[in-house]
Amino acid sequence: EAQVTQNPRYLITVTGKKLTVTCSQNMNHEYMSWYRQDPGLGLRQIYYSMNVEVTDKGDVPEGYKVSRKEKRNFPLILESPSPNQTSLYFCASSPRAVNSPLHFGNGTRLTVT
Amino acid sequence: AQSVTQLDSHVSVSEGTPVLLRCNYSSSYSPSLFWYVQHPNKGLQLLLKYTSAATLVKGINGFEAEFKKSETSFHLTKPSAHMSDAAEYFCVVSRNPVIYNQGGKLIFGQGTELSVKP
Repeated sequence: EAQVTQNPRYLITVTGKKLTVTCSQNMNHEYMSWYRQDPGLGLRQIYYSMNVEVTDKGDVPEGYKVSRKEKRNFPLILESPSPNQTSLYFCASSPRAVNSPLHFGNGTRLTVT
Repeated sequence: AQSVTQLDSHVSVSEGTPVLLRCNYSSSYSPSLFWYVQHPNKGLQLLLKYTSAATLVKGINGFEAEFKKSETSFHLTKPSAHMSDAAEYFCVVSRNPVIYNQGGKLIFGQGTELSVKP
C-alpha cells in the first residue's frame, strides 16, 4: 500500500532532550516536507526537500533540523526541544515539487514539558 | 506575495443541505489551488486541485470548487452534506516555481471546521 509513515504517533518529552521523528514513504517521491499544525494557524512548513541531499527552510525552521540521505526517508530532528514546539507534526511527500498533490502521514503529536 | 484566507473558521449545516466553504487567495499570477480535508486523528487528504485548466473542478466525495479570477476566490461546495463530511477543510495555494525559481512552497489557509447535524 502506498503510504507515508510517521513514527511515533504520540510523544511526550522534556525540555532539552533531543528527539527524532521519522518519516518514510514507499512511493519513490522526490519531494518531501514537514509541517506543524497549531490551532488557528493552519499548517506551516518547517523544512522541505526537493530530492536526495537537497533540503531547504520553510516558514518556521528555527529549532528543527532535517536530513535527506535516502529518497524514502526524511527525519525531523529537534536538538533541544522547547515547550513552544508542542504541536501536531505532519510529514508529506509528492512525486515532484510543482503542482503535485501531497500525500500526508497520519501525524505525530508532540508534547514538550 | 501569496496568501490564502478561509473566511469561516466554523461552518455548521444539516445533513442533506448544501455546503459552502469559502476561500479567497491573493496572488500576482495564476496560482495552483487545492482543497484538502482532514478527518479527526488523520493526515490531510486531497479533495481537488485547480491548475489553470477548467475553472470548475470536481473532486472526490461529491465536492467541487470554482476558480473565479475576478473575485480571487476558490470556494468549495457540495450539493448535499453527509454526516461523514464532518471534518476540517484547508484551502491551499501553491507558489509559482517559474517566478520564484524553486518549488515546494504551499501556503495553507487557517482551516474551516465543518459540522454536520442530523
